[in-house]
Amino acid sequence: AQRVTQPEKLLSVFKGAPVELKCNYSYSGSPELFWYVQYSRQRLQLLLRHISRESIKGFTADLNKGETSFHLKKPFAQEEDSAMYYCALSPLDSSYKLIFGSGTRLLVRP
Amino acid sequence: GAGVSQTPSNKVTEKGKYVELRCDPISGHTALYWYRQSLGQGPEFLIYFQGTGAADDSGLPNDRFFAVRPEGSVSTLKIQRTERGDSAVYLCASSLRVENEQFFGPGTRLTVL
Repeated sequence: AQRVTQPEKLLSVFKGAPVELKCNYSYSGSPELFWYVQYSRQRLQLLLRHISRESIKGFTADLNKGETSFHLKKPFAQEEDSAMYYCALSPLDSSYKLIFGSGTRLLVRP
Repeated sequence: GAGVSQTPSNKVTEKGKYVELRCDPISGHTALYWYRQSLGQGPEFLIYFQGTGAADDSGLPNDRFFAVRPEGSVSTLKIQRTERGDSAVYLCASSLRVENEQFFGPGTRLTVL
């Protein structure tokens, strides 16, 4: 079964601390993986996708096929990073479909 | 430019009633998607349109749910005989082509009393 698991519902850190939002997936193959973010009162938007290998707003995510993980990291959290973060996968045979995890709320405290 | 828009933003209805939710995609986007997000969960895929046709409706939970996109632009999600379990935020997204980034609308919050 295709599944995305985000084990933490809430992650609270202080400003300047490192952040790691965990994402594990189950898929027999090589899916495409994404992180989406939803800031307060805004719509869901793409943060990054693994094939682009970009760093967006200081965030990076590395695909670990052995551990089937795609954790999102940032070395120094900022208050404006507080938001809801969703990990998602797109199966190769139905690339239009996004399968989301249940999300992690990141709270960055001053 | 204008993003994906959805109307209404909120809809309260009674069990058993019929509802229609509308999505206006970004102009020129050929692909359109509907997702449903229940409380505390991530969005769940419902249906994907390429142009006017539903290319994959495997996510629709049952035959009370139906969606159309008659002219390849605006789409309407229709729910018959609503049930309390249909209460959720219904999200629409569009992309230029299927391989491009999906842009999401603000959602319609449906509450079935």
